[in-house]
Amino acid sequence: EVQLLESGGGLVQPGGSLRLSCAASGFTFSDYVMIWVRQVPGKGLEWVSAISGGGDSKYYADPVKGRFTISRDNSKNTLYLQMNSLRAEDTAVFYCARDARYGYYDYWGLGTLVTVSS
Amino acid sequence: EILMTQSPATLSVSPGERATLSCRASQSVTSNLAWYQHKPGQAPRLLIYGASTRATDIPVRFSGSGSGTEFTLTISSVQSEDFAVYYCQRYDHWPPGIFTFGPGTKVDIK
Repeated sequence: EVQLLESGGGLVQPGGSLRLSCAASGFTFSDYVMIWVRQVPGKGLEWVSAISGGGDSKYYADPVKGRFTISRDNSKNTLYLQMNSLRAEDTAVFYCARDARYGYYDYWGLGTLVTVSS
Repeated sequence: EILMTQSPATLSVSPGERATLSCRASQSVTSNLAWYQHKPGQAPRLLIYGASTRATDIPVRFSGSGSGTEFTLTISSVQSEDFAVYYCQRYDHWPPGIFTFGPGTKVDIK
């Protein structure tokens, strides 16, 4: 059974940093592109970042470019999102998801809440 | 950038009724369109991909149609567990661009 479990969310002050993790199981992790998507409270889903199976190709949405870094450790079946220079508008639930090899996402985690506030 | 719109923003239906949700792309996305269901506190769930193919274990009451710029998600007989927010998403092959989600349609109880 495919499972994705995010962790690392919490309360952080503006300008601070946080690292999210997504532990994957039930599939060959390195075979899949992995994604971070977020949902600001009361708003819709927003694509944040993607990383290739080998970790050599990475893509970011404009609002997070230069501040967030996606990475993965295929030996640990874990996806990461390093978030720096956090802003109030980054407050959201962050989901990791598996790309089904065509650009849509077939499995998602339950999400982890990031709150940026002083 | 391809923009996705969804209508209506909220759809109020009674259990057992048919629900029709619309999704429009600002330019053609051929059939690269997915639908997701999202309930509060839960993981989003893939319902449809390729505009009309049901994902694994999705009930047959969910169906998708359309191509190009106009798409529809139909729930033939809404069940209590179907009250949720539904998002469409246009997608593309690797490398990814900004894979745009629509703003969502909330299906609630009439």
